[in-house]
Amino acid sequence: EPEVTQTPSHQVTQMGQEVILRCVPISNHLYFYWYRQILGQKVEFLVSFYNNEISEKSEIFDDQFSVERPDGSNFTLKIRSTKLEDSAMYFCASSQEGPQGDTQYFGPGTRLTVL
Amino acid sequence: SQQGEEDPQALSIQEGENATMNCSYKTSINNLQWYRQNSGRGLVHLILIRSNEREKHSGRLRVTLDTSKKSSSLLITASRAADTASYFCATDYGANSKLTFGKGITLSVRP
Repeated sequence: EPEVTQTPSHQVTQMGQEVILRCVPISNHLYFYWYRQILGQKVEFLVSFYNNEISEKSEIFDDQFSVERPDGSNFTLKIRSTKLEDSAMYFCASSQEGPQGDTQYFGPGTRLTVL
Repeated sequence: SQQGEEDPQALSIQEGENATMNCSYKTSINNLQWYRQNSGRGLVHLILIRSNEREKHSGRLRVTLDTSKKSSSLLITASRAADTASYFCATDYGANSKLTFGKGITLSVRP
C-alpha cells in the first residue's frame, strides 16, 4: 500500500540553525500538508499546498517557515532560524483531493529537537 | 473556533471488551476523521465519515455521526492489547481542507 515517507526520523539542531524536513507524498496525490505536534499537545495545522503554491497557512506558519516542492516527488518544510519552541513532531500528509473532503494520509513524522 | 474535543481523556478496559470514544465539535463540518497514534509514532487513518452519513463500519470499528448534536463516536469492538494507542478525531469545514484535531483519548487495553 502506498504511504507517505518522511526523513529524517529525528533531527537535532542548535537554536538559530536552519533545518529542512523532507517528505515524499503518495505519488498520485495532489494536496500536501504539514502539521506539527508539540509533546503532549494537539496536532496543529501549519500549511497546505496545491498546484505549486500555498493554499492555506496557519498563524504558526510565519516568515521563518517555507515549503517547496522541488521536484515531482519531494515536499519540504524549511525553518530558517529555529527556536526552542519549534521542538515538536512534524507530520507531512497528502490527499488525492482537497477541500471538502478526502482522507489525509500522514507520514511517520520527524521529531525535531532544538537545543 | 472549530474544534474537535474527545472524551473521555483516558480509557482503560480489559481485552475483549468494547471501547467507546466520543468527539464533539462546534461548527458545521464537511467530514470527520478518526486517527490512531501509537506512542511517539505517526498518525494512522482509521475512518472518514461525511456530514451526510450517519454510520460507517470498518472491521471492528464503528463510527457514528450526529450532526444535530455535533458529535461522533468511535466504537472498537472486541478490543485487543494492540489497540492500545491514542485516538484523535479531526474535522474539516467550509472551503478549507485543513484538519482540526482534538486533544485525543488514551486507550489502554489490558491483556
